[in-house]
Amino acid sequence: NAGVTQTPKFQVLKTGQSMTLQCAQDMNHEYMSWYRQDPGMGLRLIHYSVGAGITDQGEVPNGYNVSRSTTEDFPLRLLSAAPSQTSVYFCASSYSQGDGNEKLFFGSGTQLSVL
Amino acid sequence: QKEVEQDPGPLSVPEGVIVSLNCTYSNSAFQYFMWYRQYSRKGPELLMYTYSSGNKEDGRFTAQVDKSSKYISLFIRDSQPSDSATYLCAMLGIQGAQKLVFGQGTRLTINP
Repeated sequence: NAGVTQTPKFQVLKTGQSMTLQCAQDMNHEYMSWYRQDPGMGLRLIHYSVGAGITDQGEVPNGYNVSRSTTEDFPLRLLSAAPSQTSVYFCASSYSQGDGNEKLFFGSGTQLSVL
Repeated sequence: QKEVEQDPGPLSVPEGVIVSLNCTYSNSAFQYFMWYRQYSRKGPELLMYTYSSGNKEDGRFTAQVDKSSKYISLFIRDSQPSDSATYLCAMLGIQGAQKLVFGQGTRLTINP
């Protein structure tokens, strides 16, 4: 049971390049999400999904795209990278039990630098 | 004004002392309160979870919620160097993890 797996761990992009951050979970969780973590800003929600085929925007969705074709995978696409997207990205999943006990399981993160 | 405020620190204390970490919030709809611990270069992991007001204890950790003051705390007794990490508070009003709001995180170092 690997939990939440993110690849790559590190990535350097040039402004304007596109790339996909991969996220996979093997816990059969319905809910998956992407966060970015910046100094002094905490974790901010980019996009989330409550099940296969369903996605929605979070707090900071601009410049990012997601899809959820399977329960296990939730890739995050940067369409045209900008220096403002330099950050640490975390994927998370949860049971979404609906009782408020929303325990999020996080991946180990992707450190992205955009030059 | 941010919905959740947390002093980012850094906070550095000697081993063995009681550590107090705090968050304030402005949204009275928050009902669920959590503390996540994040080691360097790792993802956050859930440490404590509390519903509504009151205290919850788990080993050396105590989570306290005062809804009247909109103030939550995490106490670490007999602090150890292995407790050195960033601690993030998180809160939830409407059910659904997409509504979770995180504080900025407090970076804590316990010195041997």
